[in-house]
Amino acid sequence: EIVMTQSPATLSVSPGERATLSCRASQSVSSNLAWYQQKPGQAPRLLIYGASTRATGIPARFSGSGSGTEFTLTISSLQSEDFAVYYCQQYNNWPPRITFGGGTKVEIK
Amino acid sequence: QVQLQESGPGLVKPSETLSLTCTVSGGSVSSGSYYWSWIRQPPGKGLEWIGYIYYSGSTNYNPSLKSRVTISVDTSKNQFSLKLSSVTAADTAVYYCARAIGGSWNYWGQGTLVTVSS
Repeated sequence: EIVMTQSPATLSVSPGERATLSCRASQSVSSNLAWYQQKPGQAPRLLIYGASTRATGIPARFSGSGSGTEFTLTISSLQSEDFAVYYCQQYNNWPPRITFGGGTKVEIK
Repeated sequence: QVQLQESGPGLVKPSETLSLTCTVSGGSVSSGSYYWSWIRQPPGKGLEWIGYIYYSGSTNYNPSLKSRVTISVDTSKNQFSLKLSSVTAADTAVYYCARAIGGSWNYWGQGTLVTVSS
């Protein structure tokens, strides 16, 4: 099983600042990586797929990068609605065996 | 706009079978290259993929749950279902149904909390 490790577990950021979230895979997943945002009481929302492609309707301040085993989600200027938990998810191989990272909580500093 | 809605009992007794249904509107479970999936989230914890059924009917399950999971589809009702047998308290979670294209999920249901307790 491919293990996904996210860091940090909690990130304290002031509104308007940049946030950088990391996700590491235990083995290469190529670019088969997605990022989700989840707010309390809500289902996750797809932000990024293919490591760097924004999903429909996702603001440009969200960007993804990386390939292989190291990935980054960057939020260029945090808005109040961006404080949430973020999960990475790999879908390597086909048919895919899916695994999620443990999540990074982005909180107000 | 595709919408998914989970339904089923909110309380299941230990050792029994958890059964949930996802009703899809705005799209067909039998068309397109979509993966109709179940994902769960224990209270206060992270996400766990349970499995999916492809539009063709083929299935793929999380190895850790495979012996207890069955996902099926009812095209006449535009629904797909989850059965998880021999449940324990560790199966208490919010259960989501979702649609994936490729390997990521772009449409999700709102989720339904299932508690395993006697």
